[in-house]
Amino acid sequence: QKEVEQDPGPLSVPEGAIVSLNCTYSNSAFQYFMWYRQYSRKGPELLMYTYSSGNKEDGRFTAQVDKSSKYISLFIRDSQPSDSATYLCAMRDIIQGAQKLVFGQGTRLTINP
Amino acid sequence: GAVVSQHPSRVICKSGTSVKIECRSLDFQATTMFWYRQFPKQSLMLMATSNEGSKATYEQGVEKDKFLINHASLTLSTLTVTSAHPEDSSFYICSANTGTGIYYEQYFGPGTRLTVT
Repeated sequence: QKEVEQDPGPLSVPEGAIVSLNCTYSNSAFQYFMWYRQYSRKGPELLMYTYSSGNKEDGRFTAQVDKSSKYISLFIRDSQPSDSATYLCAMRDIIQGAQKLVFGQGTRLTINP
Repeated sequence: GAVVSQHPSRVICKSGTSVKIECRSLDFQATTMFWYRQFPKQSLMLMATSNEGSKATYEQGVEKDKFLINHASLTLSTLTVTSAHPEDSSFYICSANTGTGIYYEQYFGPGTRLTVT
């Protein structure tokens, strides 16, 4: 079993829809949770960063972390064609000095005009 | 956010030659940089962790003699693919971290596409 599971999609939705992207994980030591957006043939771009449980909102993006269920989500409101990309969740544990990120497989998202 | 650059963005080389890829943190100092490899439609695979002034730590299965990593300064790390072969063709991405603890963030470069013919 992978430490982080993410549905690779592809996921295709119409413009304006609310998009929900999710990851589950097995390591209860994970405390730091990130969402990256990666356009084709580009490096990942940090979108959202959440520490421990709770919600975080930034514009049209909302990140949720439910540590009791080991489940994280990224919501995109009023989705735009420019949101079409691969979205990667990433996590890090709380061990002192630990810096490696564990990534999900990435979900390919297409927003249709 | 912090900016990480990579050079070159794309390189084509012949089998048996060596290729060097540079990774720079442009507006911050990074004590640690990471090198990843990504195959089409797949996630990032961590190859090694590079600390300034010390030897890199390679992930299991990554040949350290083939993928030479040098982290000579707080803003520059290089990956050299030695005696490249077609199976080394891939997208190589570096990243650099800023902050510690809850303020830790990792930023990625734009990637280098290597094609070995």
